[in-house]
Amino acid sequence: GAVVSQHPSWVICKSGTSVKIECRSLDFQATTMFWYRQFPKKSLMLMATSNEGSKATYEQGVEKDKFLINHASLTLSTLTVTSAHPEDSSFYICSAGEGGDTQYFGPGTRLTVL
Amino acid sequence: GNSVTQMEGPVTLSEEAFLTINCTYTATGYPSLFWYVQYPGEGLQLLLKATKADDKGSNKGFEATYRKETTSFHLEKGSVQVSDSAVYFCALSENTNAGKSTFGDGTTLTVKP
Repeated sequence: GAVVSQHPSWVICKSGTSVKIECRSLDFQATTMFWYRQFPKKSLMLMATSNEGSKATYEQGVEKDKFLINHASLTLSTLTVTSAHPEDSSFYICSAGEGGDTQYFGPGTRLTVL
Repeated sequence: GNSVTQMEGPVTLSEEAFLTINCTYTATGYPSLFWYVQYPGEGLQLLLKATKADDKGSNKGFEATYRKETTSFHLEKGSVQVSDSAVYFCALSENTNAGKSTFGDGTTLTVKP
């Protein structure tokens, strides 16, 4: 089946630093990937749609200058949390599809900002 | 816009009990419907899906039927196990938007031996 990986699986950083999270589709190409944020015991909140070769589409209320998304190839999208603060601490999940209606999710990245 | 409403949890059951988690949806088009499962500290795994009215998705003893007349996609399992303890998310996806999904709030299931 389709596999999506994320790296790192967890990261701890100091306030004010930037953190990059990678999302890779391992055995298929994905022109579109999605980035979600999940708070403890809450549902997934869609942050943005990552489009290969073009700018990401951000959901309302998501700061595009803070959450930089780059979809450099058909198998890789990156999310960079710039100047991270404690309120950015969360579980970040990406997903990718092969073009149909089914999304395959990465295992998630736990970000803790001190 | 699209929305998904799930039965509030948490749900606690004894092993071998019958499980139902209710899910209803609102959509402008003809979405595909999904159930995902999330184990602690992990991402989401696709449990089952249905793409059109009256379709039944099934996997690992779980079933859900796409009911267009009641806009529902309730998850059922006849006999739960301790290993089924997890958070379950109902979701829909419009086929026209590269799989962009709308999720319910999730229902936490705990199965006790």
